[in-house]
Amino acid sequence: AQRVTQPEKLLSVFKGAPVELKCNYSYSGSPELFWYVQYSRQRLQLLLRHISRESIKGFTADLNKGETSFHLKKPFAQEEDSAMYYCALITGGGNKLTFGTGTQLKVEL
Amino acid sequence: KAGVTQTPRYLIKTRGQQVTLSCSPISGHRSVSWYQQTPGQGLQFLFEYFSETQRNKGNFPGRFSGRQFSNSRSEMNVSTLELGDSALYLCASSLVSVDGEEGYTFGSGTRLTVV
Repeated sequence: AQRVTQPEKLLSVFKGAPVELKCNYSYSGSPELFWYVQYSRQRLQLLLRHISRESIKGFTADLNKGETSFHLKKPFAQEEDSAMYYCALITGGGNKLTFGTGTQLKVEL
Repeated sequence: KAGVTQTPRYLIKTRGQQVTLSCSPISGHRSVSWYQQTPGQGLQFLFEYFSETQRNKGNFPGRFSGRQFSNSRSEMNVSTLELGDSALYLCASSLVSVDGEEGYTFGSGTRLTVV
């Protein structure tokens, strides 16, 4: 079955500490993965795509097909990183995205 | 540019009634998708429309339906409402493909409460 798993509902780190938000997927085809973010009182928005291999706001994510993972990382957490993060996978033709249940990141001072 | 607009923002309905939600995508976006968001199930895909045709469908009962008009605006309808349909319904649009540079652009959602 096609599935995206984010094992942590809540991740709390101190400012300046490294962050890793975990995402594992189950998909029989060639995966296309994304991270979406929702800041407080804002709309859900795209953070980054694995195909672009870019760093956005200091975040990076590497697709590991062997471990079927797409963890989101940032070396030094900032207060403004506090938000809800969703990992998502294209699971059908067109624009069908399967989302994980999300991880709430809280960056403490 | 104007974002994705969903109306109404809030809705309270009684069990057994039906409801229609509206979504206006970003100008030029041809793909519109709908998601149901609940605390227990998270974001679940309902359906996607592209150029007035349903291109994808999620695992929801037939009470959930949608359509897209020639101007790309989309509506979703839920008939015979149940308490479990209470949720935030999100609309998302994209230019063509969700793996493009901008991905999905989401609306603020319609909060449906069924009593």
